[in-house]
Amino acid sequence: QVQLVESGGGVAQPGRSLRLSCAASGFSFSSYGMHWVRQAPGKGLEWVAVIWYDGSNKYYADSVKGRFTISRDNSKNTLYLQMNSLRGEDTAIYYCARDIRGGTGLFDHWGQGTLVTVSS
Amino acid sequence: DIQMTQSPSSLSASVGDRVAITCQASQDISKYLNWYQQKPGKAPKLLIYDASNLETGVPLRFSGSGSGTDFTFTISSLQPEDIATYYCQQYDNFPLTFGGGTKVEIK
Repeated sequence: QVQLVESGGGVAQPGRSLRLSCAASGFSFSSYGMHWVRQAPGKGLEWVAVIWYDGSNKYYADSVKGRFTISRDNSKNTLYLQMNSLRGEDTAIYYCARDIRGGTGLFDHWGQGTLVTVSS
Repeated sequence: DIQMTQSPSSLSASVGDRVAITCQASQDISKYLNWYQQKPGKAPKLLIYDASNLETGVPLRFSGSGSGTDFTFTISSLQPEDIATYYCQQYDNFPLTFGGGTKVEIK
């Protein structure tokens, strides 16, 4: 069965960096686009970034552009989110999600999420 | 960016009631609208894709309709296990955007 397991969350000071990982199993990871979506405590869902199945295309939300980088290692079935210059407003649960439509935005499976807290 | 306006933000209904949630896009998104259910402490779950298609395994009491800018999500007979927050999401254009969510409670 499809499994997505995020890791790497934790507490970081403003201006510092964190790298999130999403380990995929149960499907052909290299055939699917993948996304990061976040949810601030008690708030709604916010799309963060997408990467195409082969890494050829990447798109970002304006709120993270220039600070976050999405990447993947298809040999390790793993998706990454490098988060630099962290801000308080980046505090959220970060979910990875599989895209059944290549990368265009139809999320059919989600991980359980990893919490990132940005605080001094 | 395409703004998704979802209403109501919350509702309370009785078991067996018909419940409807609307989502309005700030521009034409054709059929590229999905609905997700999120239970407390859990990840979202896809219920409806392309405005009106039921995801495999999702109960038939859930349905969606609409195209262009106006969409509706309906639960035909509310069940206790439907207590959750529901989100619409457009994927006509990047950045992908979600509605603000509708919290559904039992009266």
